[in-house]
Amino acid sequence: NAGVTQTPKFRILKIGQSMTLQCTQDMNHNYMYWYRQDPGMGLKLIYYSVGAGITDKGEVPNGYNVSRSTTEDFPLRLELAAPSQTSVYFCASSPLNTEAFFGQGTRLTVV
Amino acid sequence: AQSVTQLDSQVPVFEEAPVELRCNYSSSVSVYLFWYVQYPNQGLQLLLKYLSGSTLVKGINGFEAEFNKSQTSFHLRKPSVHISDTAEYFCAVSERKRNAGNNRKLIWGLGTSLAVNP
Repeated sequence: NAGVTQTPKFRILKIGQSMTLQCTQDMNHNYMYWYRQDPGMGLKLIYYSVGAGITDKGEVPNGYNVSRSTTEDFPLRLELAAPSQTSVYFCASSPLNTEAFFGQGTRLTVV
Repeated sequence: AQSVTQLDSQVPVFEEAPVELRCNYSSSVSVYLFWYVQYPNQGLQLLLKYLSGSTLVKGINGFEAEFNKSQTSFHLRKPSVHISDTAEYFCAVSERKRNAGNNRKLIWGLGTSLAVNP
């Protein structure tokens, strides 16, 4: 099983550019999450979804958007990139409120 | 509201020494508890979890943790560490509610950086 797959692994954006971080899972999990990780700050939840067609904001949603048209895919959209969005982004999925399975991360730099 | 506190941000230890990484949580309801490990430049992977039953939980790579309800703690231990255990360790909690609805989220600690030295 591939588990949770994130693309790209690395990306450099200029201020004001937009991009979509892709996330797909093949475990048929209902719950999916997007986190950002900054040094010493742990994981901050950006958005989450409890099933196809349902999304909700996490702790730090500003500057991001998500969609969940299928169970497998949960893309994260940055519309106007800002330096404050430089971070490592992790997608995760879980079957219920038990353990989450993580992707390998996307390292994003905004310059 | 739930919260998770990892009491040590950094723990240096010599190889083959024992280690304990501390985690305390606060919650008004029963919880599930987790420890994750993150090796450099990788995603997080589950070390162990407490859902119910025995309060002593054994995980991968020789780690174990004990759930202490009265002290609201879930400390992670290993009797003898290896260089390869050098990583970031995260404690997490989620509420154990039957009808949690959209509130099925993990609450994370800030992490403990374990550095194993030769």
